[in-house]
Amino acid sequence: SQTIHQWPATLVQPVGSPLSLECTVEGTSNPNLYWYRQAAGRGLQLLFYSVGIGQISSEVPQNLSASRPQDRQFILSSKKLLLSDSGFYLCAWSHLGPGQGGIAFFGQGTRLTVV
Amino acid sequence: AQKVTQAQTEISVVEKEDVTLDCVYETRDTTYYLFWYKQPPSGELVFLIRRNSFDEQNEISGRYSWNFQKSTSSFNFTITASQVVDSAVYFCALIKGQAGTALIFGKGTTLSVSS
Repeated sequence: SQTIHQWPATLVQPVGSPLSLECTVEGTSNPNLYWYRQAAGRGLQLLFYSVGIGQISSEVPQNLSASRPQDRQFILSSKKLLLSDSGFYLCAWSHLGPGQGGIAFFGQGTRLTVV
Repeated sequence: AQKVTQAQTEISVVEKEDVTLDCVYETRDTTYYLFWYKQPPSGELVFLIRRNSFDEQNEISGRYSWNFQKSTSSFNFTITASQVVDSAVYFCALIKGQAGTALIFGKGTTLSVSS
C-alpha cells in the first residue's frame, strides 16, 4: 500500500533562517506531488505541484520554492523565512493525469512557527 | 475561474442530531470533480468522497450522505446521528476537468459535536 511521510512534525524557526521540509511517498511510482499551506487554522492554499522529476509549478509567488530531486521526493525550501511563512504545511500525492480528478492523499503535516 | 464556497464557518450540534454542511462551487468546465475531506484535530486531511460531474446520484456511506445537484452547483454533506468523533473541520474541494490536477478548497466548516 502507498504511504506518505512528511517531516518534521513541528518546527520553530527564527526570522531570516532557511527552511527545508521533506516529503516522500512509498509504494507507488510517478505520483503527482503537492505542497499546500493552511494559515491560521483555516483555508488550504496550493503552493506548488509537480507531475514529474524536475517539473515544478508554482501557484502563488512568494518566499518559498520547491524541488523534486527524485520521483517520490518533494522538498519545500526557503532561503530566508518571514513571519508570514508561519502555518501548517501539508504534502499530498495523487495519481491519474491532468483532468482525471485523482484523489489526493495527505501527509501528517508540518506545523511551522516563525519567531 | 474555479471557486468553492462553504458559507458555514462553524456549526455546533449535540450528539445524535443530524447536520448538513453546505458546499457551492463555481466552474465553467463541463467535466470536473468534487471532493469532501475531513481534518480532525491531528491535522491530517482524510479523504471522504469523490464525485465526477457526470454522476449526480446521491451517495450514502454509513451515517454519511452526499447530495450533488448540478442545477444549483451544490455538493452538500449530511451526517446523520452525529457523534463526538465527527468533530473536525470539513473541506469541500474541486478539481477542474481540463488539465486540472490540484484541489481547489473551500475555507472549511468547523463542526463541533457535544455530548
